[in-house]
Amino acid sequence: GQSLEQPSEVTAVEGAIVQINCTYQTSGFYGLSWYQQHDGGAPTFLSYNALDGLEETGRFSSFLSRSDSYGYLLLQELQMKDSASYFCAVRDENYQLIWGAGTKLIIKP
Amino acid sequence: DTGVSQDPRHKITKRGQNVTFRCDPISEHNRLYWYRQTLGQGPEFLTYFQNEAQLEKSRLLSDRFSAERPKGSFSTLEIQRTEQGDSAMYLCASEMLGGEGGTDTQYFGPGTRLTVL
Repeated sequence: GQSLEQPSEVTAVEGAIVQINCTYQTSGFYGLSWYQQHDGGAPTFLSYNALDGLEETGRFSSFLSRSDSYGYLLLQELQMKDSASYFCAVRDENYQLIWGAGTKLIIKP
Repeated sequence: DTGVSQDPRHKITKRGQNVTFRCDPISEHNRLYWYRQTLGQGPEFLTYFQNEAQLEKSRLLSDRFSAERPKGSFSTLEIQRTEQGDSAMYLCASEMLGGEGGTDTQYFGPGTRLTVL
């Protein structure tokens, strides 16, 4: 079967750094994406890794290791507005997005 | 605003009624997806279209669900004889397969929240 594992909840302090991990087991792999979803809102795209290594976009970075079937999203200088759910999603052999169950990020002042 | 719109935003219906949702994707996008999402879960794939062709439908999707994308533009998702278990957020997303940038981004609409009483 296909599965993505990520922590259900992470708590961090405003201004700190937090890492959200994702491990996957899918039939085929074209890339790992990260999406952010605020309560009541729709998922919005954050980043995409097709190759191993680190991709940086402002305060957010995403990392991929295809040999370990593992990736993470790194959020720096946390702000209260970063409180949301974060989903990893893998492009499988059919180029479909397979989604994790999401990580709820709770930020405390 | 991602450029993807959905209508209605909220729908309350009684069990056994039929409902229809509409999605208007970003106009140049060739792929359109329907997902269902319940609280605390990731989006669950329902079906997708490449232009007007429906290429895949989830095996978990009952025969009460049907989707169309006439002329490869907007899409509709119909649920017949609704059940309480159909209560969820129904999300539509579009993407341009093979588009520039290689970011493989799906753009989501705001969703339609369905409540079946």
